[in-house]
Amino acid sequence: GESVGLHLPTLSVQEGDNSIINCAYSNSASDYFIWYKQESGKGPQFIIDIRSNMDKRQGQRVTVLLNKTVKHLSLQIAATQPGDSAVYFCAEFPMNTGFQKLVFGTGTRLLVSP
Amino acid sequence: EPEVTQTPSHQVTQMGQEVILRCVPISNHLYFYWYRQILGQKVEFLVSFYNNEISEKSEIFDDQFSVERPDGSNFTLKIRSTKLEDSAMYFCASSDKWGNQPQHFGDGTRLSIL
Repeated sequence: GESVGLHLPTLSVQEGDNSIINCAYSNSASDYFIWYKQESGKGPQFIIDIRSNMDKRQGQRVTVLLNKTVKHLSLQIAATQPGDSAVYFCAEFPMNTGFQKLVFGTGTRLLVSP
Repeated sequence: EPEVTQTPSHQVTQMGQEVILRCVPISNHLYFYWYRQILGQKVEFLVSFYNNEISEKSEIFDDQFSVERPDGSNFTLKIRSTKLEDSAMYFCASSDKWGNQPQHFGDGTRLSIL
């Protein structure tokens, strides 16, 4: 069945460190992936996306890596700041369920200490 | 930056009552979605909507649920006869294109069924 799971429910880092948040997905038919950030009381906020024809994509302080061989996705945040504290979700578009339905993972809480 | 807005932020309703959750998607977007998040669980897809029709719906979206775009700006989710298990955060999202495009989310309506 389809599922998107996260390895670590909580990640604690010091300000200035680099953070890596991991995600495993099970649907090999997925060809598009998104990372969202959710702060308390807010909706999911788009961070970065990647298509399956790429293995790396960089944004401002963030990098997403995609390993299709092992169905693994990661989000790297450089020089983590207290404002990065939030829950991070990966989400996928499984092609065999239509191009509209996002399937979300369970989320990883990132805690950044000053 | 354009954003999706949702009202109310919190809705408290008696079990069995009807509730309407409202959303104003980003103005040039054509595709609209509802998701829900039960406390402590994943964000789950409910329904997608395009050209005044439902494009896709999940098993959660049963006969008690309906969506409507009553005018050029609003997008609503109605639950006809609420149940205790409908208590959740309900997120509206929109996107400007079909397929592999990010969906942009509102900050949600917290629905509490008593």
